[in-house]
Amino acid sequence: GENVEQHPSTLSVQEGDSAVIKCTYSDSASNYFPWYKQELGKRPQLIIDIRSNVGEKKDQRIAVTLNKTAKHFSLHITETQPEDSAVYFCAASRKNRDDKIIFGKGTRLHILP
Amino acid sequence: GAGVSQSPSNKVTEKGKDVELRCDPISGHTALYWYRQSLGQGLEFLIYFQGNSAPDKSGLPSDRFSAERTGGSVSTLTIQRTQQEDSAVYLCASSPSGTSHGYTFGSGTRLTVV
Repeated sequence: GENVEQHPSTLSVQEGDSAVIKCTYSDSASNYFPWYKQELGKRPQLIIDIRSNVGEKKDQRIAVTLNKTAKHFSLHITETQPEDSAVYFCAASRKNRDDKIIFGKGTRLHILP
Repeated sequence: GAGVSQSPSNKVTEKGKDVELRCDPISGHTALYWYRQSLGQGLEFLIYFQGNSAPDKSGLPSDRFSAERTGGSVSTLTIQRTQQEDSAVYLCASSPSGTSHGYTFGSGTRLTVV
């Protein structure tokens, strides 16, 4: 089955700097890669996703990149703000084959004032 | 409904007792998933329902865990003879089938086994 590795487990960046979280996956059939943000005590929420026919996707300060050959994908947050502090989860699935989403173990992002 | 609804939001039970956790997915969502999140840990897949297909139970950690989904809507996750290591937040999610959308999660049930 699919296995998703995520690093780092904890990341601290100065407010205004960029943050990068990296993930690898094992199943070459995976074709859908969502990212979720979980604030303390709240449910995970989808913030951005990318499909395997696309190499990069941006949404304001957030961007994701995907390298299918190497089976890794990354989340980039620019101009970080205090409200970006949360746990971020990467995930992979074989979407449209109705398969479940397998999550990485999460990255706790701290934005330092 | 407007979102994925889970009940109860908190459950404290004695070791050895059975518990039932309920999930009411978004109306029209054919796919329903259960995940477990232990303190400070990631999201562990438990079970997945898709329409009338047989559920994918590959993530259930032991035969004490079971789940059903009646009428293609509400789902119940049952844990028999609870153990302290079952303490976690149990999250339910739903999604439309065959789309490029991710899940919508419920707010979870925090289970504490004492």
